Amino acid sequence: AQRVTQPEKLLSVFKGAPVELKCNYSYSGSPELFWYVQYSRQRLQLLLRHISRESIKGFTADLNKGETSFHLKKPFAQEEDSAMYYCALGVRSGGSNYKLTFGKGTLLTVNP
Amino acid sequence: DAGVTQSPTHLIKTRGQQVTLRCSPKSGHDTVSWYQQALGQGPQFIFQYYEEEERQRGNFPDRFSGHQFPNYSSELNVNALLLGDSALYLCASSPRAVLSTLEQYFGPGTRLTVT
Repeated sequence: AQRVTQPEKLLSVFKGAPVELKCNYSYSGSPELFWYVQYSRQRLQLLLRHISRESIKGFTADLNKGETSFHLKKPFAQEEDSAMYYCALGVRSGGSNYKLTFGKGTLLTVNP
Repeated sequence: DAGVTQSPTHLIKTRGQQVTLRCSPKSGHDTVSWYQQALGQGPQFIFQYYEEEERQRGNFPDRFSGHQFPNYSSELNVNALLLGDSALYLCASSPRAVLSTLEQYFGPGTRLTVT
């Protein structure tokens, strides 16, 4: 069975400080990892996915298969980064059927 | 494009009753997934519909059932409601043809309260 662990429920940093949101996963197959973000009063939206190796809003995340981790990082946090962040593991089964398994989320607060 | 839409926004039901939640996928999407998000938890996968059939199911009892219509919209039905069914129910859609990614687009959710 697949599992996603986000060890920090709350994370508070000051503006301009580096931020790292941790995510570890458990899955025996080939994983597809995502970070979703939910800003206040907005819907859940995709922030980035590991296959794209992209940087969105200054955030990056590298898949480390050896450590089964997909930590989200940003060198200089901004107040507008304050939101709920969810790490998700995409798993395929039976052809093109798939589902997302989410972690419990980390609430990031960036203080001025 | 309004993206994924869900109705109603909020719903209050009594224990033992039945409820139906509705979802319209993003334009161009044909696959719909439903998730339950309890307070303080991440979304939990309920099931996924494609071509009007349930393709995959999470660890939810048979009280949870669904349907997909020819226009790709979907319904989630929950029978014999329990207090523990109180949660935010999220619908997500995706274009099945894009198999290189499992990205899903989420709706705003329906907040169900069971009293």
